Parts: sequence; structure tokens; C-alpha cells
Amino acid sequence: AQSVTQLDSHVSVSEGTPVLLRCNYSSSYSPSLFWYVQHPNKGLQLLLKYTSAATLVKGINGFEAEFKKSETSFHLTKPSAHMSDAAEYFCVVTPTYSSASKIIFGSGTRLSIRP
Amino acid sequence: EAGVTQFPSHSVIEKGQTVTLRCDPISGHDNLYWYRRVMGKEIKFLLHFVKESKQDESGMPNNRFLAERTGGTYSTLKVQPAELEDSGVYFCASSQEGPGPGSGYTFGSGTRLTVV
Repeated sequence: AQSVTQLDSHVSVSEGTPVLLRCNYSSSYSPSLFWYVQHPNKGLQLLLKYTSAATLVKGINGFEAEFKKSETSFHLTKPSAHMSDAAEYFCVVTPTYSSASKIIFGSGTRLSIRP
Repeated sequence: EAGVTQFPSHSVIEKGQTVTLRCDPISGHDNLYWYRRVMGKEIKFLLHFVKESKQDESGMPNNRFLAERTGGTYSTLKVQPAELEDSGVYFCASSQEGPGPGSGYTFGSGTRLTVV
């Protein structure tokens, strides 16, 4: 079985400071992990993905995430926040091997950026 | 290319009424998925079409929900009769590859349903 826990429902940072959005996962099998972002009134957009290649994954808009198997974590980071980063972020897990159609979403973290 | 289109973007209906949500996938995408997020909780899977066939409908909450994909193009999701707990955001996604890691998914902007 797979599950994903986003540890913070809301994160607020100042513009220009680092962003850390935390995600822990549970998976019986080798997982694929993703981060999606949803801006207001927009669809869900893929930020980055991990599928058992390099553990440090770089995504769009300067975001990156590191897969840490020992900690079962896949935290999302960005060195310097921009006002346009304000959105809701979802951590997603699915088994790498799987032909199943479901992907498992975390509960989301709302990121606010202070000027 | 055009993305996944959903309409209406918002719908407010009274309890007991019927509502039909529509999703137009990316042209040529055989796979179409419905997800929903209710009450600020997790986004949960509803069902998966491959062309016009229902591949997996294990996430459909009850028989008040009916999904169709006639001709393997656009899909509709009908709620009849709607209940208060059906309020939430309904997302559609499509992909060209088979099911599996979600990197091939393209999501629509969702339909926000409010049942009063």
C-alpha cells in the first residue's frame, strides 16, 4: 500500500528566502514520487518527478527535491522564493512497477509569500 | 496543443438536483481520469477510462455518480441526485501512455461544485 503525508498544511516565507515543503511517503514497493502545483483557478501542473534515477531531482521554476530512502522523504525546496510561487503544492506517490491507474495525493501544502 | 478542458468551471446547485460535469481530454489521449477533492481533503481517484471503456471505477463513491465517455472522446460525470457532501473540486486528467507513474498526466483546471 502507498501513502503520502505532507507535514505542513500552510507554509509562509518572505520573498527571497528559502522554501521547504515537507513530504514523507510510505510504500510497499519502489515508489515513483512527484510534486504538483496548483495556482488559483489553474489546473494541476507537474513540477518534478523521481522514478528511481538520480535522487536529487530538478524541476521547473527553480524547484528541486531529494529522494531519501532512509528517511522515506521527498521534500521540495527552492533557494529563493518569488511572489509567483504562491500556490498549493501536492506530493504524489505511485508504485514504479505498477500498471494501476491510481496516483496517491498528499493533502496539500499552501505556500504563501510575504513581500 | 490545447490542454484538458473542463466545464463548467463553477457550479452551484441545490441538494437533490442533477449536475453534469464535462471533460475534454487532449486530442488523441486514450486515457482519461476523474479525481475529486472534497472539503479540503486529499485529491482522490474516481475512475479511469481507456477510450470508451471503464478500466477502473473503484473510486466512484456511490451509484449517484455516473461517468460516460461515448466515442472515446470527451467524458461526462453526472451526479444525480446531488448531496451536500458532493461539494468539492472535480479534476479530469488525460494521458497518452498507459496507466502508471503520473508523469504523463495532464490535468484540467477542475470544476468547483457547490451543493447547497
